[in-house]
Amino acid sequence: DADVTQTPRNRITKTGKRIMLECSQTKGHDRMYWYRQDPGLGLRLIYYSFDVKDINKGEISDGYSVSRQAQAKFSLSLESAIPNQTALYFCATSGRGRANTGELFFGEGSRLTVL
Amino acid sequence: GENVEQHPSTLSVQEGDSAVIKCTYSDSASNYFPWYKQELGKRPQLIIDIRSNVGEKKDQRIAVTLNKTAKHFSLHITETQPEDSAVYFCAASLGDSNYQLIWGAGTKLIIKP
Repeated sequence: DADVTQTPRNRITKTGKRIMLECSQTKGHDRMYWYRQDPGLGLRLIYYSFDVKDINKGEISDGYSVSRQAQAKFSLSLESAIPNQTALYFCATSGRGRANTGELFFGEGSRLTVL
Repeated sequence: GENVEQHPSTLSVQEGDSAVIKCTYSDSASNYFPWYKQELGKRPQLIIDIRSNVGEKKDQRIAVTLNKTAKHFSLHITETQPEDSAVYFCAASLGDSNYQLIWGAGTKLIIKP
């Protein structure tokens, strides 16, 4: 079954550490996204990518970077984690062209705690 | 910046009754309005969406209405069931893109037996 897979699912780290969250998808979608979810704030877009050579900042990109290693892989990095980056992170994909219905397909989420 | 306000933050209804969740948006160019359901510990999943060229869309027990003049849209769930318990998020497109969304803060729907 085509899916969106995130690793790790849970991570506890310390302030100042470098963290990478990885996302891979078997849906064949071109578009990939990283979102952050905080209680009472909904979902906020960090970065999005339309293909390997196209990376765009979302509304809250400061303190984050991304890499689109292949059509199916999109990773999110926190170069120096801080406590207010503690959140639930979601990767998502969507189609393009005729497959572009607007629907986002989310991964299962990566819960990050920065102490 | 653009924003989406969602109300109420928590809604408790008796099983079998109807539930209504409302959202208002600020970007007059928004033309795509999806609703996502997130069950506890799970990923958000699209349940229904509407585009600005229609005023209402229905899918079995759920419906969405859109009032572009007033810039608000609503989710209606009829004959609620225990499996409807979840957090519901509305979103509005940033301008006419359907890949950049501004999200509401979510509504926790509780179905009382």
